Amino acid sequence: SQQGEEDPQALSIQEGENATMNCSYKTSINNLQWYRQNSGRGLVHLILIRSNEREKHSGRLRVTLDTSKKSSSLLITASRAADTASYFCATGDGGATNKLIFGTGTLLAVQP
Amino acid sequence: GAVVSQHPSWVICKSGTSVKIECRSLDFQATTMFWYRQFPKQSLMLMATSNEGSKATYEQGVEKDKFLINHASLTLSTLTVTSAHPEDSSFYICSARSVADTQYFGPGTRLTVL
Repeated sequence: SQQGEEDPQALSIQEGENATMNCSYKTSINNLQWYRQNSGRGLVHLILIRSNEREKHSGRLRVTLDTSKKSSSLLITASRAADTASYFCATGDGGATNKLIFGTGTLLAVQP
Repeated sequence: GAVVSQHPSWVICKSGTSVKIECRSLDFQATTMFWYRQFPKQSLMLMATSNEGSKATYEQGVEKDKFLINHASLTLSTLTVTSAHPEDSSFYICSARSVADTQYFGPGTRLTVL
């Protein structure tokens, strides 16, 4: 079963613009992770944020987490055509296996 | 980051045959691996959690006799789709869990059942 939803479902922007994707989830979590997937490929881990953290940065990526609203956002600044991909959030329960449940994903298209 | 490989990358088989997919963690040991399936333009659906040396834990609705999982070593898990049918055609992706709770994903295996 899927934990939550992401919006928008699809997003098209121009190179250089910022892209923001949102993720909502339903249950308590230990951590939330963002992944990207190029068409027909495996997933690449982008960033992990734990439930006691509110914001995290990695290069051009900024992730926020609001556990009271059960939501997270991923901001990609100064986007590039190479950022074109699907982006998924996934929540981890932090249990023995930290099973991940994925959101519905956002398809980002960055036009050159 | 850590590397996870899958073999084969793609496979086409006839209905009724069984297909084995391998997932290997190349530069770290993984006591836990996961198997997902993904339909076109959809998200990943967790099928099962593969634990080294013990039985896999299957998600609700996933037939354990249909999708056999074996995690014989700390670097290898296999998924066997038994008596495959066209509706089993999908993209199967494995991941291996690191000690930091991050999962590293394989490149996926595209299965087409004719």
